[in-house]
Amino acid sequence: GQNIDQPTEMTATEGAIVQINCTYQTSGFNGLFWYQQHAGEAPTFLSYNVLDGLEEKGRFSSFLSRSKGYSYLLLKELQMKDSASYLCAVKNRGSTLGRLYFGRGTQLTVWP
Amino acid sequence: DTGVSQDPRHKITKRGQNVTFRCDPISEHNRLYWYRQTLGQGPEFLTYFQNEAQLEKSRLLSDRFSAERPKGSFSTLEIQRTEQGDSAMYLCASSLFDINDNSPLHFGNGTRLTVT
Repeated sequence: GQNIDQPTEMTATEGAIVQINCTYQTSGFNGLFWYQQHAGEAPTFLSYNVLDGLEEKGRFSSFLSRSKGYSYLLLKELQMKDSASYLCAVKNRGSTLGRLYFGRGTQLTVWP
Repeated sequence: DTGVSQDPRHKITKRGQNVTFRCDPISEHNRLYWYRQTLGQGPEFLTYFQNEAQLEKSRLLSDRFSAERPKGSFSTLEIQRTEQGDSAMYLCASSLFDINDNSPLHFGNGTRLTVT
């Protein structure tokens, strides 16, 4: 089975930096996705990592360590609109393409 | 590109009734997925189509659930004899085949089902 763990809630201040961690235990790891989901809306794709290292996209960066089963999403220069749930999702080798295993999500609240 | 659209956005039904949801994927996407999400949880995989072929179904998809994608475009998800435990957000997603197998899923806004 899959075991994906991320904190339930985090808070931060506008303009600050926040790091959301995700740990996973899975067989045949083949990639990790981060999605953002505002309340009542669709999850939207943020980033994808399959090799170790850091992927940077503007204010958002995502890091992966396959040997440690660990990823984080780094959000810089936080804005109020970044308040949302952040979902970590893992894909396995040999599983149906697109069959992602999601964590429970981390609810981030950004305060002014 | 209007994104993935789902209809209806909300559905309230009484226990025992049948409901049907529709999903229209992004037009050039050949893969379509159904996920279910309950409050405070991440989405859970239900089933997956490539073109019109249903290639995998989760154990979560009991025999009361059926999904179709008859022409390889839109899809429907039907729940028969609904139960209160079926109350959830039903999310549809689509993607385009990528030889590197890293094409992200594009989700619709979901259909929120409430069974009373």
